[in-house]
Amino acid sequence: GQSLEQPSEVTAVEGAIVQINCTYQTSGFYGLSWYQQHDGGAPTFLSYNGLDGLEETGRFSSFLSRSDSYGYLLLQELQMKDSASYFCAVRDGDSNYQLIWGAGTKLIIKP
Amino acid sequence: KAGVTQTPRYLIKTRGQQVTLSCSPISGHRSVSWYQQTPGQGLQFLFEYFSETQRNKGNFPGRFSGRQFSNSRSEMNVSTLELGDSALYLCASSFEGGRQETQYFGPGTRLLVL
Repeated sequence: GQSLEQPSEVTAVEGAIVQINCTYQTSGFYGLSWYQQHDGGAPTFLSYNGLDGLEETGRFSSFLSRSDSYGYLLLQELQMKDSASYFCAVRDGDSNYQLIWGAGTKLIIKP
Repeated sequence: KAGVTQTPRYLIKTRGQQVTLSCSPISGHRSVSWYQQTPGQGLQFLFEYFSETQRNKGNFPGRFSGRQFSNSRSEMNVSTLELGDSALYLCASSFEGGRQETQYFGPGTRLLVL
């Protein structure tokens, strides 16, 4: 079956670094994406990893290891506005590239 | 470019009724996907439309249906509403729904079934 696992909640301190992990089990894997969703808002795209390695976009980085079926989102210099839910999603090539979503990780940032 | 728009934003219905939600994608986008989101749950995929054809369908009962028009606008319909259908319904568009394409989400329609 297809499934993604990510922690339900992570707590960190403002200014710190936090890593949100995502492990997946899909067939026909085609890339790992990360989306951010603030309470009451719509998901917005953060990053995409199609190949192994690290992708960096400002304070956010995302990593993928296809051999381990694992990826993570790294948030540096945490700000209060980073408090949100973070979703990993995988494109399943055996389902017409349908996006399969994790249940989301709620990031709580304390001053 | 204008973003993805969804109407209505909020809706209250009673059990047994039916509802139609509308989504207008970003101009030029031909792929529209629908998701259901409930508290503590990820996004549950409902279906995807591309060029007026349903390309993918999630594991939802037949009460959930959709369609796409020639201008790429999409509607989804839920018949015989149940209490468990209360959720945020999100629509997302992308150019062609290809494997590296980002999905752009609308603000959602929050449906409450009483």
